[in-house]
Amino acid sequence: DIQMTQSPSSLSASVGDRVTITCRASQSISTYLNWYQLKPGKAPKLLIYAASSLQSGVPSRFSGSGSGTDFSLTISNLQPEDFATYYCQQSYSIPPVTFGQGTRLEIK
Amino acid sequence: QVQLQQSGPGLVKPSQTLSLTCAISGDSVSSKTAAWNWIRQSPSRGLEWLGRTYYRSKWYKDYAESVKSRITINPDTSKNQFSLQLNSVTPEDTAVYYCARAVGPLGMDVWGQGTTVTVSS
Repeated sequence: DIQMTQSPSSLSASVGDRVTITCRASQSISTYLNWYQLKPGKAPKLLIYAASSLQSGVPSRFSGSGSGTDFSLTISNLQPEDFATYYCQQSYSIPPVTFGQGTRLEIK
Repeated sequence: QVQLQQSGPGLVKPSQTLSLTCAISGDSVSSKTAAWNWIRQSPSRGLEWLGRTYYRSKWYKDYAESVKSRITINPDTSKNQFSLQLNSVTPEDTAVYYCARAVGPLGMDVWGQGTTVTVSS
């Protein structure tokens, strides 16, 4: 199974900041990497697919990059609604679907 | 617009069976391009994929090793839905359960609203 490791596990930032979350795969997954946003009481939301493609309806302040084993999610100009938990997920070798352990983004 | 509507009990007793259903609108459980997944989320485990079913001229099912001996995911073409059954539950199975659609490798783009399931006597 492909293991996904995210860092940091938690992050404090202020409205207007730019933050970056990283995700590392245990083996090369090309660009088969997706990012999700989770908020309490809401369904998870797909933000980025195929490492860098923005899902329809997602604000352009979200961006993704990377290939192989190293990936990142960047949020520019943080908005209050962006404080949530973020997960990466590999879709290169399924089953099983594997997620990172999550990064909790908190307001400073 | 594709929507997934979950239903099922929020409280299950230890050793009993957790049963949830995910009704699909705007797509078909027999789609040859989609896979229908169950995922759960808990503070201790984060997001955990449980399994999926999909149709490619015949039905396929894949399960996570961690629950493989206890899980069944079934499609229901007559009602355009799919279900999750998890047997012999323990308090460790307490989580928010989600159903989700995946289209190829492009991520899970549609999710159900989530069902909080508590395993307790």
